[in-house]
Amino acid sequence: KAGVTQTPRYLIKTRGQQVTLSCSPISGHRSVSWYQQTPGQGLQFLFEYFSETQRNKGNFPGRFSGRQFSNSRSEMNVSTLELGDSALYLCASSWSGGAYEQYFGPGTRLTVT
Amino acid sequence: DQQVKQNSPSLSVQEGRISILNCDYTNSMFDYFLWYKKYPAEGPTFLISISSIKDKNEDGRFTVFLNKSAKHLSLHIVPSQPGDSAVYFCAASADDKIIFGKGTRLHILP
Repeated sequence: KAGVTQTPRYLIKTRGQQVTLSCSPISGHRSVSWYQQTPGQGLQFLFEYFSETQRNKGNFPGRFSGRQFSNSRSEMNVSTLELGDSALYLCASSWSGGAYEQYFGPGTRLTVT
Repeated sequence: DQQVKQNSPSLSVQEGRISILNCDYTNSMFDYFLWYKKYPAEGPTFLISISSIKDKNEDGRFTVFLNKSAKHLSLHIVPSQPGDSAVYFCAASADDKIIFGKGTRLHILP
């Protein structure tokens, strides 16, 4: 069974630009969650999508948005990038959502200059 | 407000000895707890979990203990092996929302 894939793996953007990250979950998984990992803050929850609907949302500004398609693939968008958005963005999928045994992708390393 | 705290940023343990990673939480509504392990350049991988109705769960070399009155959980790794060197994240869940700690970097010394 193929794991969670994320594209691109690395990205460099400049302040003010926008970026779209993609996540393909494990086949059959309907829940996709997004996390931001930074050295000082650890893993912070962004949002969770289940069957194309946003089910949970973390405490991030509206510049961070996402969506999920009918095949469960998900995209995350960050508009008007700031230097502080530089981080590893991780996507995790699970069959039912919530906390139960999420499977993480390798992440997308975003650098904002 | 940090609801899940891993107060030790790093821990060094001799190979073959026991590694104990600790985690404290503040929200008494958390009903499910998990530990994840992360190697550099990889996403976290699920290790072991425990429901709030239990106080211990064991899986091979890994055991998680939950002390609800102290709002504390710990992960024991026995015996520690070189491949256990990684960052370990504690996570807690309530109402399908999951909060992660900041992680503890475990170094297994030869």
